[in-house]
Amino acid sequence: AQKITQTQPGMFVQEKEAVTLDCTYDTSDPSYGLFWYKQPSSGEMIFLIYQGSYDQQNATEGRYSLNFQKARKSANLVISASQLGDSAMYFCAMREGPHNGGATNKLIFGTGTLLAVQP
Amino acid sequence: DGGITQSPKYLFRKEGQNVTLSCEQNLNHDAMYWYRQDPGQGLRLIYYSQIVNDFQKGDIAEGYSVSREKKESFPLTVTSAQKNPTAFYLCASSTSGTGVAYEQYFGPGTRLTVT
Repeated sequence: AQKITQTQPGMFVQEKEAVTLDCTYDTSDPSYGLFWYKQPSSGEMIFLIYQGSYDQQNATEGRYSLNFQKARKSANLVISASQLGDSAMYFCAMREGPHNGGATNKLIFGTGTLLAVQP
Repeated sequence: DGGITQSPKYLFRKEGQNVTLSCEQNLNHDAMYWYRQDPGQGLRLIYYSQIVNDFQKGDIAEGYSVSREKKESFPLTVTSAQKNPTAFYLCASSTSGTGVAYEQYFGPGTRLTVT
């Protein structure tokens, strides 16, 4: 069964330091996509970064990078130089490819990690 | 500016009443989705639609209904049959297709409280 696991309910990080948020996934489909979203206290989900299962390199977007370890089925989000505005919930999500009927664009979400950046 | 609007942001209803949550997008996306979020949990899919006049049940469709008469609009009705309707509801849209790289764009959400 498809599943996303985020084992860290909450984390603290000092401003300007780097932090890694863990995400493991389970799928039998060779083609899939992994997404990270940020949810501030306002509630809106903000797309951060995407990694495709066939991508050879780890995805990067500004201060965000994705540490993709396919054999371990992990897709950890790394935030460098944390800022106070990074305090939010972070969700890992997966979309399966069409091989397993995943052509619906449905996303499966983890339970999230609450990140608090301390000054 | 392109985006997704949901209204209202906060909604209060009495138990036993149906309530409709609005979702409109001007991103020209074919696919639209409704999620429910409860405290301490991730998002769970209620319904989704990949094209006008077509929609499918998600993982927790019981007690909900939707319509997709226009590409831009995907309203969600929370019926009196939904046993625990109090939650945060998020609408999203995306490009439709078989590629896996299509991120979903989310609206600001509606917080529904039923007493």
